[in-house]
Amino acid sequence: LAKTTQPISMDSYEGQEVNITCSHNNIATNDYITWYQQFPSQGPRFIIQGYKTKVTNEVASLFIPADRKSSTLSLPRVSLSDTAVYYCLVGAGTGGSYIPTFGRGTSLIVHP
Amino acid sequence: EPEVTQTPSHQVTQMGQEVILRCVPISNHLYFYWYRQILGQKVEFLVSFYNNEISEKSEIFDDQFSVERPDGSNFTLKIRSTKLEDSAMYFCASNGLPEEPQHFGDGTRLSIL
Repeated sequence: LAKTTQPISMDSYEGQEVNITCSHNNIATNDYITWYQQFPSQGPRFIIQGYKTKVTNEVASLFIPADRKSSTLSLPRVSLSDTAVYYCLVGAGTGGSYIPTFGRGTSLIVHP
Repeated sequence: EPEVTQTPSHQVTQMGQEVILRCVPISNHLYFYWYRQILGQKVEFLVSFYNNEISEKSEIFDDQFSVERPDGSNFTLKIRSTKLEDSAMYFCASNGLPEEPQHFGDGTRLSIL
């Protein structure tokens, strides 16, 4: 199982760009990298998924270097409502068993 | 956008009783999951389910737990002989393929008294 390491917490201010980096040194060839957001008393919500290079959607970008041993979630111009816990998950390559493993996540607090 | 729905949102049960937590996955999804999150702790995988069989289960998912897809839309988690330490949020999730992102419901808060 690929283990992930993220900062426990981060602080930012409204309007700033936030970058959260996740380390996954033993990522397997077929593994995808998926980021989720969780608000208190709610289920995790999918943000973005990637395999290599850069992926962008309407809410975030995901940067993955060539060695894939880390990934960075980039949230442009955060607002107060982006205060949440962010999780990086690695796995789910086809052909193998997959037990989704959530770490402690990164608690992001956005200040006015 | 299709959602995973869970009922009830809050369940209060006496210790030793059985509970059934219900989930309606997204209709065209084939893979189903249960997780739990004890207050203040991380989300923990319990079990995955595909083609009417358990695919994977964690050490938490012992004989006290069982899952079932009783019909074409529901996916249930049964907890027998509940204990105080079973108090937690229980989340259901689904996806169409294992490598796809999972879609989570908003959970059932289970309180064991």
